[in-house]
Amino acid sequence: KNEVEQSPQNLTAQEGEFITINCSYSVGISALHWLQQHPGGGIVSLFMLSSGKKKHGRLIATINIQEKHSSLHITASHPRDSAVYICAVGGRGAQKLVFGQGTRLTINP
Amino acid sequence: KAGVTQTPRYLIKTRGQQVTLSCSPISGHRSVSWYQQTPGQGLQFLFEYFSETQRNKGNFPGRFSGRQFSNSRSEMNVSTLELGDSALYLCASSLGWDQPQHFGDGTRLSIL
Repeated sequence: KNEVEQSPQNLTAQEGEFITINCSYSVGISALHWLQQHPGGGIVSLFMLSSGKKKHGRLIATINIQEKHSSLHITASHPRDSAVYICAVGGRGAQKLVFGQGTRLTINP
Repeated sequence: KAGVTQTPRYLIKTRGQQVTLSCSPISGHRSVSWYQQTPGQGLQFLFEYFSETQRNKGNFPGRFSGRQFSNSRSEMNVSTLELGDSALYLCASSLGWDQPQHFGDGTRLSIL
């Protein structure tokens, strides 16, 4: 069993829909990262959180440390949100990230 | 402010050769991490450098090595290349272990 599990692996939705991507982890962590990767490879860091909830524009990330679970939500989804979303966890004192397998999101107009 | 710069963007090598990839972090960032991304294994941590010292290492063979210079620029080297080394190699920099990482666009390495 992988240390970081994401679901779903693939998600197709219509423009405007509310999107949720889930991440569960089995190890102790100091922080959880949500990353976005577009075709071509470039990765953008969306959120780094260790507790509670963070919001940036239409994106919201939450984490429940006790349940070892995080969710990434996208409100009013748009075709430009189409990308692979990756959850990663890091331990204390280290940038050594362990990654989930990614969720491929496609938003159709 | 310039982002993380990786060179070259694309590289083609043959089995048995060796390769050096370069990463220039964001100015002021002293932590540089390297990752390998393949379709089969996904993203995997290679190593992390901070102030010229390797602070963490992933589960890769000794053919994979790296270093960091006093200006925080980093290089990684892969010797005796194998077909399975074909991957996208990503570099990321940050201010410290508890700070977000900023990724470069990667070097796509193909082994023939």
